[in-house]
Amino acid sequence: DGGITQSPKYLFRKEGQNVTLSCEQNLNHDAMYWYRQDPGQGLRLIYYSQIVNDFQKGDIAEGYSVSREKKESFPLTVTSAQKNPTAFYLCASGTSGTYYNEQFFGPGTRLTVL
Amino acid sequence: GENVEQHPSTLSVQEGDSAVIKCTYSDSASNYFPWYKQELGKRPQLIIDIRSNVGEKKDQRIAVTLNKTAKHFSLHITETQPEDSAVYFCAAPLRVNNDMRFGAGTRLTVKP
Repeated sequence: DGGITQSPKYLFRKEGQNVTLSCEQNLNHDAMYWYRQDPGQGLRLIYYSQIVNDFQKGDIAEGYSVSREKKESFPLTVTSAQKNPTAFYLCASGTSGTYYNEQFFGPGTRLTVL
Repeated sequence: GENVEQHPSTLSVQEGDSAVIKCTYSDSASNYFPWYKQELGKRPQLIIDIRSNVGEKKDQRIAVTLNKTAKHFSLHITETQPEDSAVYFCAAPLRVNNDMRFGAGTRLTVKP
């Protein structure tokens, strides 16, 4: 569990504001993922990255942006274009490709729009 | 489209009974099937996983079975305890995109 961290734990955003959620891992994983979880719902994929300097859109990428400049870091920006951003955001890392393995999740960031 | 479907969405059992949660997947190339447990307000954590070269795996009170022909896999919890109460998620990799897809989750309640 301690290998992947997210900050902050709670975040409040005003209308029209961009905010960035941090995700860092020291597990030497190539793949990193961002999921959104709404109350009573499953995990929906926002963006994922299999390797540094490369990332792909998931099912609900609109209104979000990411970067992967370092293997350890995969920050998510929630832009003002995301009309309903209030949710629990989970970052994960893992191996992928021909040999999948466990995804390790961070503790999450709860984002609330004021 | 490519998806992982999970049933039931809620499940309530008496302490000591068994619980079974089922998932189906659509990508026949999927080769890894994990199950995660998420307690309220916490992160999902892996409880058991299975690869496509085996049909069943067991770890104490938890087991997972895989039917590759039918493209479904199931989580079995025996002798349930109140601390098993949580939301359980299945997942399967989507090989064409190389990402992991999750089921919608099952809220398990174990009544003492």
